[in-house]
Amino acid sequence: ELKVEQNPLFLSMQEGKNYTIYCNYSTTSDRLYWYRQDPGKSLESLFVLLSNGAVKQEGRLMASLDTKARLSTLHITAAVHDLSATYFCAVAATSGTYKYIFGTGTRLKVLA
Amino acid sequence: GAGVSQSPSNKVTEKGKDVELRCDPISGHTALYWYRQRLGQGLEFLIYFQGNSAPDKSGLPSDRFSAERTGESVSTLTIQRTQQEDSAVYLCASSLPPGGAPRDTQYFGPGTRLTVL
Repeated sequence: ELKVEQNPLFLSMQEGKNYTIYCNYSTTSDRLYWYRQDPGKSLESLFVLLSNGAVKQEGRLMASLDTKARLSTLHITAAVHDLSATYFCAVAATSGTYKYIFGTGTRLKVLA
Repeated sequence: GAGVSQSPSNKVTEKGKDVELRCDPISGHTALYWYRQRLGQGLEFLIYFQGNSAPDKSGLPSDRFSAERTGESVSTLTIQRTQQEDSAVYLCASSLPPGGAPRDTQYFGPGTRLTVL
């Protein structure tokens, strides 16, 4: 059974600092998504990663995927307050299926 | 265009009552998902519909939970004899026909917050 773990669960950081959120998954998969959820709101897709070594960047966020290590990272560069949210990774349960298992989420708070 | 909509946005019910939650997916999205999100936790997969294929019901937690979908449009999630542990936000998402990412990017609705007293 696929398990998806994120760490840290909570992250409080100062504006301008860099940090990385990690997403580990237990079995092979052919795609991984990162989502953002603002308090009281629904989820918004950020990135999809499909292949080993894939890297996607949008603004201050950069996501990467290492399928051999079954690890994805979401790197935050020079954090700003607007990035405060909960970030989830989601992994397709098995290749070719469309059942997704979500990580527990990382609640990020960027302090001004 | 219009996004995924869900109704009601909030539902308070008494233990033992039945509830029905509705999801209207984005037009043209043949895939539809239901998730449950308990307070402060991640998303728990419940059920997945794709076109006329048999739904993947593997995430439904008990036989009190069921879901239907009319063609490729509206879906309803029904919880019978609600229990307090059913209290959560129920999220619906839809996507284009599966055929590889990013086509299957899921677009989420605002959710229905269910409170069982």
